[in-house]
Amino acid sequence: QKEVEQNSGPLSVPEGAIASLNCTYSDRVSQSFFWYRQYSGKSPELIMSIYSNGDKEDGRFTAQLNKASQYVSLLIRDSQPSDSATYLCAVLYYGNNRLAFGKGNQVVVIP
Amino acid sequence: EAQVTQNPRYLITVTGKKLTVTCSQNMNHEYMSWYRQDPGLGLRQIYYSMNVEVTDKGDVPEGYKVSRKEKRNFPLILESPSPNQTSLYFCASSLNRDTGELFFGEGSRLTVL
Repeated sequence: QKEVEQNSGPLSVPEGAIASLNCTYSDRVSQSFFWYRQYSGKSPELIMSIYSNGDKEDGRFTAQLNKASQYVSLLIRDSQPSDSATYLCAVLYYGNNRLAFGKGNQVVVIP
Repeated sequence: EAQVTQNPRYLITVTGKKLTVTCSQNMNHEYMSWYRQDPGLGLRQIYYSMNVEVTDKGDVPEGYKVSRKEKRNFPLILESPSPNQTSLYFCASSLNRDTGELFFGEGSRLTVL
């Protein structure tokens, strides 16, 4: 079973709409969860971290965590062309403190 | 400015010619790590270091070596590069291993012919 899974295929959203990204993870011991954004040809940058169940909002971004169902999601409200990027989900596994990344979801915001 | 600096950014080399990719951070971070990123495979950890003189293997360490003689530097060494090591390499650092909040370098694109 893969440790961190993200939906495959690019997500196309019109400008101003909500982009929704999902990520599932395999280990219930996981405690910390992160979303990184990676523009084409650039390095990943941290945009959100979430540590407890529920929602965490930061500007147009909202991270949602449900530990019982083992998923974490990222919502991008009022999507802008500058949000076009690949979004990487990462999970920190306590015990060995290993940070595992999903393969990423490409988001394309259409003006 | 807080940053992780990698060099070289681009390199084309031939099979068997030893090379070193340097990585330096100016944030006094304890934890440093190397990743490679390949299409369809995502980010995979090669080696990591929790502090000076403390290094350990990640998921794909074969064919690579690292050292951590100083806190700020964490070079990646390819003793005998092969074509399957053609990839985009990222160095990253964080305050310590307990946080997943990594700062990434700009990446080094390596091609091995």
